[in-house]
Amino acid sequence: EVQLVESGGGWVQPGRSLRLSCAASGFTFDDFAMHWVRQAPGRGLEWVSSISWNGKTIGYADSVKGRFTISRDDAKNALFLQMNSLRAEDTALYYCAKESGMENRGDELDFWGQGTLVTVSS
Amino acid sequence: QSVLTQPPSVSGAPGQRVTISCTGSSSNIGAGYDVHWYKQLPGTAPKVLIYGNSNRPSGVPDRFSGSKSGTSASLAITGLQAEDEADYYCQSYDNGLSAVIFGGGTKLTVL
Repeated sequence: EVQLVESGGGWVQPGRSLRLSCAASGFTFDDFAMHWVRQAPGRGLEWVSSISWNGKTIGYADSVKGRFTISRDDAKNALFLQMNSLRAEDTALYYCAKESGMENRGDELDFWGQGTLVTVSS
Repeated sequence: QSVLTQPPSVSGAPGQRVTISCTGSSSNIGAGYDVHWYKQLPGTAPKVLIYGNSNRPSGVPDRFSGSKSGTSASLAITGLQAEDEADYYCQSYDNGLSAVIFGGGTKLTVL
């Protein structure tokens, strides 16, 4: 059974940093691209970042480019999102999602975690 | 404002048919990228409903169908049921943005 479990969310002041983690199990982690998708309270889904199966192709939404860094540790079956210079508008539930393909080029996100909540406020 | 445009809301009576549109452009749907649809119930993570424009994962009833034409895609739900009440999102890829893109979401209300 595929499982994705996010952690690392919490309350943080504007300008500070937070690192999210996603523990994956139930599939061959290093065969698939992985994504972070966020959802602000009462709002729609917003893609944040993705990383290909081998870590060589990485993408970011314009809203987080230069502030967030995605990475993966295939030995630990883990996905990470380092979030720096956080802003109030980054407040959201952050989902880790597995892509059905390898190359983060638009295949469907076939499994999702339950999300970890990030609140940026002074 | 989302790159993919969906109606904010649709509604229908039990047993009826509803459709949800997803309009893109020549750099995403029109460029040949697949469209996927997700269903999200309140307080839960999204789940794939349709992938690759028109394919249903196992377990998804055949009341749900997807299609794509030109720069748009559609999700159709027939025989509407109370449990279909949810938010629905389309997703594709944009080669101009080099980014995964979502529609703004459509809230389906079963009257």
